[in-house]
Amino acid sequence: KAGVTQTPRYLIKTRGQQVTLSCSPISGHRSVSWYQQTPGQGLQFLFEYFSETQRNKGNFPGRFSGRQFSNSRSEMNVSTLELGDSALYLCASSLANRGHPYEQYFGPGTRLTVT
Amino acid sequence: DQQVKQNSPSLSVQEGRISILNCDYTNSMFDYFLWYKKYPAEGPTFLISISSIKDKNEDGRFTVFLNKSAKHLSLHIVPSQPGDSAVYFCAASGWDSNYQLIWGAGTKLIIKP
Repeated sequence: KAGVTQTPRYLIKTRGQQVTLSCSPISGHRSVSWYQQTPGQGLQFLFEYFSETQRNKGNFPGRFSGRQFSNSRSEMNVSTLELGDSALYLCASSLANRGHPYEQYFGPGTRLTVT
Repeated sequence: DQQVKQNSPSLSVQEGRISILNCDYTNSMFDYFLWYKKYPAEGPTFLISISSIKDKNEDGRFTVFLNKSAKHLSLHIVPSQPGDSAVYFCAASGWDSNYQLIWGAGTKLIIKP
């Protein structure tokens, strides 16, 4: 079974631009979560989508948004990029049912650099 | 307020010895705990988990212990191998977090040859 895929793997943008990152979950997984990881920091939760609906949201500004499509693929958008948005963005998918309580499987991440 | 804490940013262990990574939590409603391992520039990989109805779960060289009264869990790796050098994250979830995973800051484990 194919794992979680994220595109692109690397991205360089300038301040003020916007960016869209894509995530394809493991087949059959309906939940997709997004995280930001900066150097020296743990995983900061952005949001979770389940069946095309945002189910959980972390403490990030409204510049960070996401969506999920009917095939469970998800996109994350960051508008008006700031230097502090430079980070590794990770996507994780899970079955999200009570029999498998939220074991998440991660993609390799997208390394975003804002200059 | 950090609900999941990994107080040791790093840990150095001799190859072949036991590695013990610790994690504390504050929310008594957490009922499921997970450990993940992460190499640089890669996504975290699920290692092992434990439900709050258990106090121990073992999988090969990895054992997780849960002490609910102390709100503490630990990951034991025996014997430690060079490939175990990575950052280890502890995560917890429960019904009151809407089953969202709450993550610790991670502990960098270095296995010395």
